[in-house]
Amino acid sequence: QQQVKQSPQSLIVQKGGISIINCAYENTAFDYFPWYQQFPGKGPALLIAIRPDVSEKKEGRFTISFNKSAKQFSLHIMDSQPGDSATYFCAARGYQAGTALIFGKGTTLSVSS
Amino acid sequence: DAGVTQSPTHLIKTRGQQVTLRCSPKSGHDTVSWYQQALGQGPQFIFQYYEEEERQRGNFPDRFSGHQFPNYSSELNVNALLLGDSALYLCASSSTGQGHYEQYFGPGTRLTVT
Repeated sequence: QQQVKQSPQSLIVQKGGISIINCAYENTAFDYFPWYQQFPGKGPALLIAIRPDVSEKKEGRFTISFNKSAKQFSLHIMDSQPGDSATYFCAARGYQAGTALIFGKGTTLSVSS
Repeated sequence: DAGVTQSPTHLIKTRGQQVTLRCSPKSGHDTVSWYQQALGQGPQFIFQYYEEEERQRGNFPDRFSGHQFPNYSSELNVNALLLGDSALYLCASSSTGQGHYEQYFGPGTRLTVT
């Protein structure tokens, strides 16, 4: 069964610290790995995404690290801010057009000031 | 540039009733996917519409059906509502020209079945 396993379930980080969320996948046909940020009562917002031909992608304070051989990828939030407090979802999908996104169960991040 | 819009925002229905949810995709997008998000869980794929046809379907019963209109907007219909259908229903749009990689979500419709 296609699955994406996400950890930890919840995370508390001090303001200015680094938040790290990890995901692992099983299906080697996956070739697109996005991260979504969701605030309470809102829809998920696309944050950053990576394809498996690169090992790292950085956009501002957000970085995805990708390990193809281990079938793992992670989100790093540098200089975490209280406004980053939200639920983060990793996801994966295959290469064919129209393939559904398979989501992890989410990580609730709280950044304390 | 308008993003993905959904209506209504909230809906309360009784078991056994039927419900219709609506979605307008982001400008320039031609494909609509529907997801169900239970409380405390990640979104789960229901189905995807492209060129007014269902192209892919997740593990949901036939009580869940949909439609896509020529202007690319879409409807999700759920018949014979169960208590377990209570969830946030999300619509996501994408573009064939961009390979459907980037999917943008709307704010969702919160459905409560009593």
